[in-house]
Amino acid sequence: QQQVKQSPQSLIVQKGGISIINCAYENTAFDYFPWYQQFPGKGPALLIAIRPDVSEKKEGRFTISFNKSAKQFSLHIMDSQPGDSATYFCAASQKMKTSYDKVIFGPGTSLSVIP
Amino acid sequence: NAGVMQNPRHLVRRRGQEARLRCSPMKGHSHVYWYRQLPEEGLKFMVYLQKENIIDESGMPKERFSAEFPKEGPSILRIQQVVRGDSAAYFCASTMSGTRYGELFFGEGSRLTVL
Repeated sequence: QQQVKQSPQSLIVQKGGISIINCAYENTAFDYFPWYQQFPGKGPALLIAIRPDVSEKKEGRFTISFNKSAKQFSLHIMDSQPGDSATYFCAASQKMKTSYDKVIFGPGTSLSVIP
Repeated sequence: NAGVMQNPRHLVRRRGQEARLRCSPMKGHSHVYWYRQLPEEGLKFMVYLQKENIIDESGMPKERFSAEFPKEGPSILRIQQVVRGDSAAYFCASTMSGTRYGELFFGEGSRLTVL
């Protein structure tokens, strides 16, 4: 129930295309859904996040779509660029009894944007 | 550099030796998470600590692994009697205390290789 599923495992998109990564969860206690971006040899960094009281959030070329009833959310990268080539992790967070946020990550999607 | 600092960046150990990984959180952060990243498996939660307290160690293997975050100094993840299966990248992330929906700030990781 703590698992966050993510697909596809890898994705190749042409420059200018749309990259779409999908995630799903089971635990209804999750109430915050961030996406992290990781470049080779670096640590993950927060890209964009959404709370389940909204169905969509957009920041520049990055959009999260959230379907609470289906317990699914996705990341769309519009006008994909070679510099977007990285590994993307979706995550889900819940407040624990000890009042901290436990953040569970999906297995990641390796995105390659080709010129 | 005010970011999360991890050292060593790379560590090679022979089977049976001990590995100590250190993490200094961002200035002003007193909460630390440790995650393990295996190829194709994403980031697996290991432990969450506040200064001088282990809050959630549900992701830590029961044997050989321990973590601490003393009042002074960095957080330390200790792996005793390492085995080949411990080879992985270990990331720590810090966050501010008492905030929900907070961003996790990751270090660049410590890559452990067990020969």
